[in-house]
Amino acid sequence: QSVLTQPPSVSAAPGQKVTISCSGSGSNIGDNFVSWYQQLPGTAPKLLIYEDTKRGSGIPDRFSGSKSGSSATLGITGLQTGDEADYYCGSWDSSLNGGFFGGGTTLTVL
Amino acid sequence: EVQLVESGGRLVKPGGSLRLSCAASGFSMSYYGMNWVRQAPGKGLEWVSSISSRSTYIYYADSLRGRFTISRDNGRKSLFLQMNSLRAEDTAVYYCARGDDSNFLAYIDFWGQGTLVKVS
Repeated sequence: QSVLTQPPSVSAAPGQKVTISCSGSGSNIGDNFVSWYQQLPGTAPKLLIYEDTKRGSGIPDRFSGSKSGSSATLGITGLQTGDEADYYCGSWDSSLNGGFFGGGTTLTVL
Repeated sequence: EVQLVESGGRLVKPGGSLRLSCAASGFSMSYYGMNWVRQAPGKGLEWVSSISSRSTYIYYADSLRGRFTISRDNGRKSLFLQMNSLRAEDTAVYYCARGDDSNFLAYIDFWGQGTLVKVS
């Protein structure tokens, strides 16, 4: 059982909106910042969202982050085929004294 | 331009040792926390270890503690990961990554291209 839980896959049509959830607990998401990463096939991860809601450098406002309690959500609007990738949430856990990533969510733009 | 370039990955036998290096350029390492994150073939990201800017705070994934050692040399602009008693399950691409100096996963804003470690 992962410390941070993401759905394995999500899909939506081009131009539509999708959300990806990241569920944790009070000692990680509830007590620490959440960050989100996009990984295109064969490449290193790229920072999308940091400190729960802030967009990384050069990231368009189609990408957004939110957090409530021990859960966080990545939102992507105006879906493009180029958004097809794996998405990961990450957070520190104050009780376990370690970092954790969610299992990853594969986005398919139909 | 910020760059992180890992090296040292190779094929190694179970029980062997390996030292990964990461050369940083384009920024002052002295202001950032540094991290190692790995990804097994076809699997997700796994946090390995983090070290604060002055090496005051060091953390490891529970499954790795005692076998891996992270270190850094800000003067040489380098990050290291000493890996001992390697196992097949350590096979992965290892990424060097820059992040926050205290809230380690608040952000990881630059990643290297990764170096492949294969234990077989």
